[in-house]
Amino acid sequence: DTGVSQDPRHKITKRGQNVTFRCDPISEHNRLYWYRQTLGQGPEFLTYFQNEAQLEKSRLLSDRFSAERPKGSFSTLEIQRTEQGDSAMYLCASSLDTGREELFFGSGTQLSVL
Amino acid sequence: AQSVSQHNHHVILSEAASLELGCNYSYGGTVNLFWYVQYPGQHLQLLLKYFSGDPLVKGIKGFEAEFIKSKFSFNLRKPSVQWSDTAEYFCAVNAIFGNQFYFGTGTSLTVIP
Repeated sequence: DTGVSQDPRHKITKRGQNVTFRCDPISEHNRLYWYRQTLGQGPEFLTYFQNEAQLEKSRLLSDRFSAERPKGSFSTLEIQRTEQGDSAMYLCASSLDTGREELFFGSGTQLSVL
Repeated sequence: AQSVSQHNHHVILSEAASLELGCNYSYGGTVNLFWYVQYPGQHLQLLLKYFSGDPLVKGIKGFEAEFIKSKFSFNLRKPSVQWSDTAEYFCAVNAIFGNQFYFGTGTSLTVIP
């Protein structure tokens, strides 16, 4: 299966620690998205890449969050100085830039900040 | 900014009952519309999509949705649900050539055998 893969599946950390998540999109997809989902809510947009360029960031994304996609393939999302409010499922999705695209999601990384 | 409203938060149905889940969006321009499903323990996957043309679109597993432009709605339907349809359903919208996909808060469907 060459779907979107995310690592790790689960992450438990203490408040104040830094965490990094990885996403490997479908290989031919040039767009990559990060979303956050909390219980009872739909996915909330965080940021988006077109190839290696980060083209859009949500205003909800604090400066503790940073994302990269260095070679236009995999992406990392880092959260510095984690807070309990960061606890959520972090979803990665990828798509082709066709104007008629659909998102393909990974299984997500569940972050718990203690 | 675009927004998506799903008015049914929790729906409980018996098997063979008919299903309709509401979805309304707010955006003045041309949009692409989607329904995604998340089965327990699985990732989000596409149920169906509308880009243009026939406003009645058919998806996987017997689901269909109707785009009513005048009502800014894209309701999901299934004539007869099965226990295996128990899942979370999300409506999503993005503007043509837009970057963001906006999701509703989801509807949790429980089908009782």
